Amino acid sequence: GQQVQQSPASLVLQEGENAELQCSFSISTNQVQWFYQRPGGRLIGLSYIPGMKPTGKQTSSTVTKGRHSSLTISSSQTTDSGTYFCVLSTPNTDKVVFGTGTRLQVSP
Amino acid sequence: NAGVIQTPRHKVTGKGQEATLWCEPISGHSAVFWYRQTIVQGLEFLTYFRNQAPIDDSGMPKERFSAQMPNQSHSTLKIQSTQPQDSAVYLCASSLDFGEAEQFFGPGTRLTVL
Repeated sequence: GQQVQQSPASLVLQEGENAELQCSFSISTNQVQWFYQRPGGRLIGLSYIPGMKPTGKQTSSTVTKGRHSSLTISSSQTTDSGTYFCVLSTPNTDKVVFGTGTRLQVSP
Repeated sequence: NAGVIQTPRHKVTGKGQEATLWCEPISGHSAVFWYRQTIVQGLEFLTYFRNQAPIDDSGMPKERFSAQMPNQSHSTLKIQSTQPQDSAVYLCASSLDFGEAEQFFGPGTRLTVL
């Protein structure tokens, strides 16, 4: 079956540092979306492919190529702390698969 | 635009009782998704509809869970004979179309089965 792997599993940053979160999957697709969730909060879509349209945090960007996608968080803030999910959708098989998530903690 | 609406926000049931969760997608969105989230399992896809038709329910537990979308304005997730392991936050999302657009999530329904 399809697998969506995210790395690192967890990450600790100092405020102001940049981070790159990785997502790899078993098939080649450009239909990858990144979500963000604060502890106890709702899921927020960060971007989708194609278009790379950011709808929440404005200092993040994504790149998807082949079987890999990455999310870059620039100038991190403590409010960026939470869990980031990579989600793969494949219309030809009508499947939706969530990655394992990366837990990010940004310290002041 | 009120976004995706889910009701109730919290539901507590006794073991063996039935629970029905409601979702109102954003008007004009043709795809509606159901997910659940637990600490142990993380985020799991359950099922989704496109233009009210069920497309993929591969994530749904085969017994006791069912989802319907009788019209374009709402979908329901029904859990019969609830068990403690069904306790989770159930999330509904909608998008303009499957795989082509961003998914917008509702606030979720927290189900607690005692």
